[in-house]
Amino acid sequence: SQQGEEDPQALSIQEGENATMNCSYKTSINNLQWYRQNSGRGLVHLILIRSNEREKHSGRLRVTLDTSKKSSSLLITASRAADTASYFCATAQNSGNTPLVFGKGTRLSVIA
Amino acid sequence: EAGVAQSPRYKIIEKRQSVAFWCNPISGHATLYWYQQILGQGPKLLIQFQNNGVVDDSQLPKDRFSAERLKGVDSTLKIQPAKLEDSAVYLCASSPGSLFEQYFGPGTRLTVT
Repeated sequence: SQQGEEDPQALSIQEGENATMNCSYKTSINNLQWYRQNSGRGLVHLILIRSNEREKHSGRLRVTLDTSKKSSSLLITASRAADTASYFCATAQNSGNTPLVFGKGTRLSVIA
Repeated sequence: EAGVAQSPRYKIIEKRQSVAFWCNPISGHATLYWYQQILGQGPKLLIQFQNNGVVDDSQLPKDRFSAERLKGVDSTLKIQPAKLEDSAVYLCASSPGSLFEQYFGPGTRLTVT
């Protein structure tokens, strides 16, 4: 079963707008990670946020984590056509050597 | 630093045939993963290795899938015999440890006809 559930399933915005994607999960975690997958390419790690962190930034990316609500959000500011991709959240649980569990992803389309 | 290498990139086989995929992780990464990604879904873990030992293979269909990681470096994933529903992208990833970010290879797109 998949731990993370992204919302929305698909999102279409104009270039320059901000894009927000949400992820909800079910059990306690050690960290939560966001990945991007372009059409025809492998997954690329974007950002990792630990359970004791509330917010993290990387370039145009901002990730928040609310462990009380078991949810995270990924904000992409000033979107570009190159941001068009599927975005996945993945959770790592506290027990050692437990697998990373991916959600089904949000498909983001940025229209130039 | 070289990334995760996978081969082949594409493979087309008929059902009931066998197929093998190869993965070379990033040097020094102790943990290696094989995922299956069906179109429109997120990756599903098939097997996780820590060095050359299996950590998790609970979702590996062991009647037809097998994997090994020789000497704790390269890994192969085999399917024998293949079924139509095995059509998917098979991704290999590696990481320094199980709670770190993972680095993915380009994947092998398998089509079973």
